[in-house]
Amino acid sequence: DAKTTQPPSMDCAEGRAANLPCNHSTISGNEYVYWYRQIHSQGPQYIIHGLKNNETNEMASLIITEDRKSSTLILPHATLRDTAVYYCIVRPAGTTDSWGKLQFGAGTQVVVTP
Amino acid sequence: KAGVTQTPRYLIKTRGQQVTLSCSPISGHRSVSWYQQTPGQGLQFLFEYFSETQRNKGNFPGRFSGRQFSNSRSEMNVSTLELGDSALYLCASSLDGRDPYGYTFGSGTRLTVV
Repeated sequence: DAKTTQPPSMDCAEGRAANLPCNHSTISGNEYVYWYRQIHSQGPQYIIHGLKNNETNEMASLIITEDRKSSTLILPHATLRDTAVYYCIVRPAGTTDSWGKLQFGAGTQVVVTP
Repeated sequence: KAGVTQTPRYLIKTRGQQVTLSCSPISGHRSVSWYQQTPGQGLQFLFEYFSETQRNKGNFPGRFSGRQFSNSRSEMNVSTLELGDSALYLCASSLDGRDPYGYTFGSGTRLTVV
């Protein structure tokens, strides 16, 4: 699986957009980009995923560059409850030897301040 | 619907003992994965079970084992506990393990080895 690089931490003011970058320069054509977050003392929670098109759901937006070597997770209006560690993960589709598992990196600790 | 239930939430064991942790998946989910989270190594994949068979395995010693029952509930066992086994143990369930957007994590079991 491709490895990802994320900044270790970032701060964001409440109500502002949080833009979380992720570098995955060795991503393969069949690998999706997934974002999870982990709020303190809880299990990780799925946020959004994409292959090459930009995606949006009720939680966030995902922008993937045209060459797919990097992506940005956007939390449009950060709240205090968005304080968490955010993980960017790439994983191939369709290979059973990867089913059921995720390779987590160190993630980005996001702190939303009032 | 009920989420993923892990029991117990907290556990204190002595070096050399063994421990069994339990994970009850969401109803209808047949894939259960286990992860270890430590401050030094982060979130690491242990193994995944699907239909009572271990399908994928991470890079952990044989002291770490698991099983899955016909109702998809899973247990993991750690024998001959070491201080370094102190960690948050998380399980995730999904329909078949194929799509990470369908993974739901439990809140984990906090194991302390003294």
